[in-house]
Amino acid sequence: KAGVTQTPRYLIKTRGQQVTLSCSPISGHRSVSWYQQTPGQGLQFLFEYFSETQRNKGNFPGRFSGRQFSNSRSEMNVSTLELGDSALYLCASSRTSGGASYEQYFGPGTRLTVT
Amino acid sequence: GDSVTQMEGPVTLSEEAFLTINCTYTATGYPSLFWYVQYPGEGLQLLLKATKADDKGSNKGFEATYRKETTSFHLEKGSVQVSDSAVYFCALSDGASGGSYIPTFGRGTSLIVHP
Repeated sequence: KAGVTQTPRYLIKTRGQQVTLSCSPISGHRSVSWYQQTPGQGLQFLFEYFSETQRNKGNFPGRFSGRQFSNSRSEMNVSTLELGDSALYLCASSRTSGGASYEQYFGPGTRLTVT
Repeated sequence: GDSVTQMEGPVTLSEEAFLTINCTYTATGYPSLFWYVQYPGEGLQLLLKATKADDKGSNKGFEATYRKETTSFHLEKGSVQVSDSAVYFCALSDGASGGSYIPTFGRGTSLIVHP
């Protein structure tokens, strides 16, 4: 069974630009979550989508947005990039959107560098 | 709110040494507890989990016991290998926290194992 895939793996953008990252979950998984990982803040939750609906949202500005398609693939978009947006963006998929044994399966991440 | 506290790293050990990485948590309800591992250049992988008090999760020689009385979930391994060098994350998932099962992660503990 293929794992979670993320594209692109590396990205360099200039301040003020926008960027779109893509995530394909494990087949059969309907929940996709996005995280930002930085050395200073650790792993921070961005948002979760389940069956094309945003179920949960973290504490990030409106420049960060996402969506999920009918095949469960998800994209996240960051507009008006700032230097502080440089990070590893991780996508995680899960079969459900909760439950006592909620387990997430992570992709390798997209390394975004903003210059 | 929920929180996870891990010991600061890096933890540096010689091969075949005993490993303990401490993790304590604060949660509203009765959370499930997880350990994830992140190898260099990769996303997080679920290492083990426990869903109720006194449960022991184990995988690849690693173990952790859910201790409700001390709100702890310490990770242990009897004999580490160089290939265990990675960053280890403790996490909890607590549906009682407003109904969201989105995991709360610790800051991660880097483990370096020397030959």
